Amino acid sequence: NAGVTQTPKFQVLKTGQSMTLQCAQDMNHEYMSWYRQDPGMGLRLIHYSVGAGITDQGEVPNGYNVSRSTTEDFPLRLLSAAPSQTSVYFCASSLGIEGTEAFFGQGTRLTVV
Amino acid sequence: AQTVTQSQPEMSVQEAETVTLSCTYDTSESDYYLFWYKQPPSRQMILVIRQEAYKQQNATENRFSVNFQKAAKSFSLKISDSQLGDAAMYFCAYRRTGGGADGLTFGKGTHLIIQP
Repeated sequence: NAGVTQTPKFQVLKTGQSMTLQCAQDMNHEYMSWYRQDPGMGLRLIHYSVGAGITDQGEVPNGYNVSRSTTEDFPLRLLSAAPSQTSVYFCASSLGIEGTEAFFGQGTRLTVV
Repeated sequence: AQTVTQSQPEMSVQEAETVTLSCTYDTSESDYYLFWYKQPPSRQMILVIRQEAYKQQNATENRFSVNFQKAAKSFSLKISDSQLGDAAMYFCAYRRTGGGADGLTFGKGTHLIIQP
């Protein structure tokens, strides 16, 4: 099992550009989510999904879109990148059972210049 | 909304000694889950230990144990016999019940340094 796979691992964007961060899991997990990690801030929830076709906003959703067309994939789209979106992004997945472990991808370090 | 506070930005311990990382949280819920995650320089988030709020017994995983004080809303992590490989950022996290669909709420982390 590959677990949770994020691509790319590093990315530099210019202000105003758009891009998609990819996330795929092969554990048949219902729950998937995206977090951003900023220095001194811990991880903050951007968007989450409880299953294919169902998504909802987390704590810091502005500037990001998500969709969940399959159980395996949960891409995060930056519509018009801003320097404030410079961060490390983590995708996570977990079973639809309360209290179970969230498995994280390796993270994507995004720099917007 | 729930919050998680880690009051120690950095801790240092001698190899083979014991260290305790602090975490407090604020919630109006009675049922929830608490976690400690480790993030080494590789950036990978690794689950260290998990505690169910309805369980009075403190969770243990080998050298790692917690002191869960529900009334005080405190959830500290004790690392015994510290090893060089324990050096990392440690994050305390909270998840409410109800499917956990709204994700984890994290503290800001504690940077643990192991002195050889």
